[in-house]
Amino acid sequence: GAVVSQHPSRVICKSGTSVKIECRSLDFQATTMFWYRQFPKKSLMLMATSNEGSKATYEQGVEKDKFLINHASLTLSTLTVTSAHPEDSSFYICSAPIEGGGEKLFFGSGTQLSVL
Amino acid sequence: DAKTTQPPSMDCAEGRAANLPCNHSTISGNEYVYWYRQIHSQGPQYIIHGLKNNETNEMASLIITEDRKSSTLILPHATLRDTAVYYCIPRFRGQNFVFGPGTRLSVLP
Repeated sequence: GAVVSQHPSRVICKSGTSVKIECRSLDFQATTMFWYRQFPKKSLMLMATSNEGSKATYEQGVEKDKFLINHASLTLSTLTVTSAHPEDSSFYICSAPIEGGGEKLFFGSGTQLSVL
Repeated sequence: DAKTTQPPSMDCAEGRAANLPCNHSTISGNEYVYWYRQIHSQGPQYIIHGLKNNETNEMASLIITEDRKSSTLILPHATLRDTAVYYCIPRFRGQNFVFGPGTRLSVLP
């Protein structure tokens, strides 16, 4: 099946620093990618839709200046958490859809961000 | 969007079939039913999806009632590695995937 690679899997940073998370589609092109976050024992919440060549679309309540998304190519989207604070600590997951056969969504393995 | 109701948790003995129900009584005619699962600390994994007919693949079977108001995901021979949270997601084509709380399945030895 299709593979979405997410890196890093775990990152610990100091409060006030910025953290970049990469999401790559390894064997297919993705003009759209989705970024989710998940708090412990909670379900996934969609943060934003990353669009190749254009601005990302953010869900209500998600600060676009806080969570910078860049979709530089058809296989790479990045999420940068700027000036991270402890409340940004969460599990961040990217995903990409594949057309055909029912629009399946494939997910990366996730990034656990811990802000000290 | 159709709302779903899934039991918060279920147990299943290893080697037995796991039957996970989902109620989606407000589902629209063109909404597919998708099932994903999430093993602890990993990204969700696609399992199966269907519209009206029952579906089967190498992972599971999906049984959709004739009125489409509910469905059941069947793992025919559950293993310990099937322990995960299972999400039932009704969705129109082109719509975002919205995850509910799901069912936490524990496969017991």
